Amino acid sequence: AQSVTQLGSHVSVSEGALVLLRCNYSSSVPPYLFWYVQYPNQGLQLLLKYTSAATLVKGINGFEAEFKKSETSFHLTKPSAHMSDAAEYFCAVSEGGYSTLTFGKGTMLLVSP
Amino acid sequence: KAGVTQTPRYLIKTRGQQVTLSCSPISGHRSVSWYQQTPGQGLQFLFEYFSETQRNKGNFPGRFSGRQFSNSRSEMNVSTLELGDSALYLCASSTGLAGGLGTDTQYFGPGTRLTVL
Repeated sequence: AQSVTQLGSHVSVSEGALVLLRCNYSSSVPPYLFWYVQYPNQGLQLLLKYTSAATLVKGINGFEAEFKKSETSFHLTKPSAHMSDAAEYFCAVSEGGYSTLTFGKGTMLLVSP
Repeated sequence: KAGVTQTPRYLIKTRGQQVTLSCSPISGHRSVSWYQQTPGQGLQFLFEYFSETQRNKGNFPGRFSGRQFSNSRSEMNVSTLELGDSALYLCASSTGLAGGLGTDTQYFGPGTRLTVL
């Protein structure tokens, strides 16, 4: 069975600081990994996804994530936080193909001026 | 292209009633999935429809059902509502052609907020 653990339900950073949101996964097969963002009163938007190509995945809005098999991690980073990055972020794992996604509990990113 | 639309955006029902939620996918998308989002359980997969057939199902009781029409629009029905059914219900669409949910990019609607009193 697949599972996702997001460390920290809330992360606070200052504008301009590094953003690091942690995601660890468990999967019995090589995983597919996703990061989604949810702004208030909106649905989820895909930031990036890993599908067994390059281990460093670049996404939208300056975000990127690195797949580390040895650490079973897929942490999301952004060099410099903007106020507009304040939202909830979800990591998700699948076994590819016709399997379904399992989401983490989410991490709320708070950005202060 | 218009995004995924969901109607209504907000609903208030009482225990024991039933409710139907509607989702219109992005034009050309044939896969529609439904998710329940609650503060306690997070995002949980309900089911997926592809070309009018249920292709995947999550671990929810039979009170939760869905269907998809020939134009790919989908409805979700919850019968005999319980207080615990209060949640944000999200619909997502994808082409369904580049493999399945495990690899497809899903596009989410804004959700329907259901409150059960």
